[in-house]
Amino acid sequence: GQQVMQIPQYQHVQEGEDFTTYCNSSTTLSNIQWYKQRPGGHPVFLIQLVKSGEVKKQKRLTFQFGEAKKNSSLHITATQTTDVGTYFCAGDQAGTALIFGKGTTLSVSS
Amino acid sequence: EAQVTQNPRYLITVTGKKLTVTCSQNMNHEYMSWYRQDPGLGLRQIYYSMNVEVTDKGDVPEGYKVSRKEKRNFPLILESPSPNQTSLYFCASSQGPGNTIYFGEGSWLTVV
Repeated sequence: GQQVMQIPQYQHVQEGEDFTTYCNSSTTLSNIQWYKQRPGGHPVFLIQLVKSGEVKKQKRLTFQFGEAKKNSSLHITATQTTDVGTYFCAGDQAGTALIFGKGTTLSVSS
Repeated sequence: EAQVTQNPRYLITVTGKKLTVTCSQNMNHEYMSWYRQDPGLGLRQIYYSMNVEVTDKGDVPEGYKVSRKEKRNFPLILESPSPNQTSLYFCASSQGPGNTIYFGEGSWLTVV
C-alpha cells in the first residue's frame, strides 16, 4: 500500500540555524499537506501543495513539491524557539485518506 | 469558530471497563476520523466515516468501535480496553478524505 516516509525522525539545531525535513512517497500524490504539532498540542494545518514543482513560502518556511509529485520538503530558515514541535507531511493519492508520515521532531536551543 | 471537540481530554481507566470518547465538529464536515498517536509511530488512523451511517476501518481498528448517527458526532468506543490501547487519541474532520484536516485537542488515555 501507499507509504509516506519522512526523515529525519529527530533534529536538534541551535537557534538561528536552518532546518529541513523531507517527505517521500512510494506513489504519485495528488497533493501533499504539512502539519505542525507543538509539544502537548494537536496537529495544525500549515499548507497544501498541489502542482508539480510547486514552491510556497510562509515567512521563514519554504515548502516544495517535487516534479514527480512523490516527494516534498519543508525548510525553515533561521530557526527560532517558536519553531519547536513535530512536523508531519501527509499525502493524498487521488481522494483517498491522507497518509501521514511519522513526523520530524524539531528541538531548538537558544 | 471552527472546532473539533473531544472529551474526555484525560482519562485513566482499568482493563476491561468500557469507555467512550466523544467527538463533535461544528463545520458541517462529512468526513470524520480517529487517529492514535504513539511515540515513533506517528499518526495512525483507527476508523473513518465518509458520512452519516457510513464507517470503515482504518489502519489499526482492532479493539475499537465507532458510530456515526449524526453528521456532527463521531464517538470512539473501547468495549474492553487493554493496556496496549494506552495512547493519545485525536478526532479529526474534513470536507473530504483528502482535504485539510482539523484535529481535536486530543484525549490522553491510560489503561491500567
